[in-house]
Amino acid sequence: QKEVEQNSGPLSVPEGAIASLNCTYSDRGSQSFFWYRQYSGKSPELIMSIYSNGDKEDGRFTAQLNKASQYVSLLIRDSQPSDSATYLCAVNGDTGRRALTFGSGTRLQVQP
Amino acid sequence: EAGVAQSPRYKIIEKRQSVAFWCNPISGHATLYWYQQILGQGPKLLIQFQNNGVVDDSQLPKDRFSAERLKGVDSTLKIQPAKLEDSAVYLCASSFGTSGLETQYFGPGTRLLVL
Repeated sequence: QKEVEQNSGPLSVPEGAIASLNCTYSDRGSQSFFWYRQYSGKSPELIMSIYSNGDKEDGRFTAQLNKASQYVSLLIRDSQPSDSATYLCAVNGDTGRRALTFGSGTRLQVQP
Repeated sequence: EAGVAQSPRYKIIEKRQSVAFWCNPISGHATLYWYQQILGQGPKLLIQFQNNGVVDDSQLPKDRFSAERLKGVDSTLKIQPAKLEDSAVYLCASSFGTSGLETQYFGPGTRLLVL
């Protein structure tokens, strides 16, 4: 069973629309949650981190966390073609393992 | 502030050869990670260091992979002998603290092709 699951996509949205990316995780002990963006051929770069239930907004990005449902999402408002990339959900491990566990990523395509 | 540095950026070797990768983390970062990212997948942790000690190497194929972080700063990852399935991008990341809650910053990666 995968520890962090994401829909591989591609998720295609028109420019200016809201893109919604979803992620579920299996470890109930997880405490920190991250969204990374990865352009083709590049390394992951952090977009958002979230640690408590609810919403966290940063510019056009909103991360949502629901620990009871073991669900974390990323909303991108006013999507731009430059947002086209793979979005990786990452979750920290249990108390004995603090490295990140990544999902396989969702590829987002923003159509101009 | 300089980012995480890695070298080489690209490497092509034949199977059964050996290869080594180098990583210099952000200055002052106590924790260093090596990840393997196979095409179409998310990064997978190979080994985690805190200062110069190993925290987690449970997913490191120890029969062929080795890593060290002497003096708690830069690190090397070695593969000997390489297999075809080792073709991947090897990412080094570092974080300031040791709790696991801090942001990890990734280097540019080393793209390995094993023929």
